[in-house]
Amino acid sequence: AQSVTQPDIHITVSEGASLELRCNYSYGATPYLFWYVQSPGQGLQLLLKYFSGDTLVQGIKGFEAEFKRSQSSFNLRKPSVHWSDAAEYFCAVGENSGYALNFGKGTSLLVTP
Amino acid sequence: DAEITQSPRHKITETGRQVTLACHQTWNHNNMFWYRQDLGHGLRLIHYSYGVQDTNKGEVSDGYSVSRSNTEDLPLTLESAASSQTSVYFCASSTLPGDTQYFGPGTRLTVL
Repeated sequence: AQSVTQPDIHITVSEGASLELRCNYSYGATPYLFWYVQSPGQGLQLLLKYFSGDTLVQGIKGFEAEFKRSQSSFNLRKPSVHWSDAAEYFCAVGENSGYALNFGKGTSLLVTP
Repeated sequence: DAEITQSPRHKITETGRQVTLACHQTWNHNNMFWYRQDLGHGLRLIHYSYGVQDTNKGEVSDGYSVSRSNTEDLPLTLESAASSQTSVYFCASSTLPGDTQYFGPGTRLTVL
């Protein structure tokens, strides 16, 4: 069955430190891959997406993600975290023949001073 | 600017009542989706639509219905609200299935 796994429920990082959020998927074909961010009380905002081509994708707010087919992963990274990055992050997977996105359960990011 | 809106933003209702949550998008997207978000479950798909007069069940459709009479709107109806339907509901739309979805701000529904 198709699935999306975000292994880390909560992550705490210090402001200025680097960040990596993990996402693993189980799909038959090459999927469409997304990272969304949700601030408290808000809807989901697209950070970045991968459809094809260069496996390193740049997004908004200084985020990037790398698609690794051999590891079925699409991890999100940021070199230096800001306090405003504290939020819930969701990885999602879709297919061009599919009907909707399949979301992971999210990773909650806490940023400490 | 194009956008997707949801109303109401907050709703409190009683068990057994019928409730309708509105979703309106001005993106002119064919595809629209309803999700519910619960702690520990992430987002789960309730219903979706690929166009006018088209509706499909998602992962957690029991107790919910939708109708699509025009491109812009996909209202979600809880026929007889249950406490288990207390949740935050998000509407989304996209140009193509499997493509980027744009989300509304959400509706927090409490069923007492």
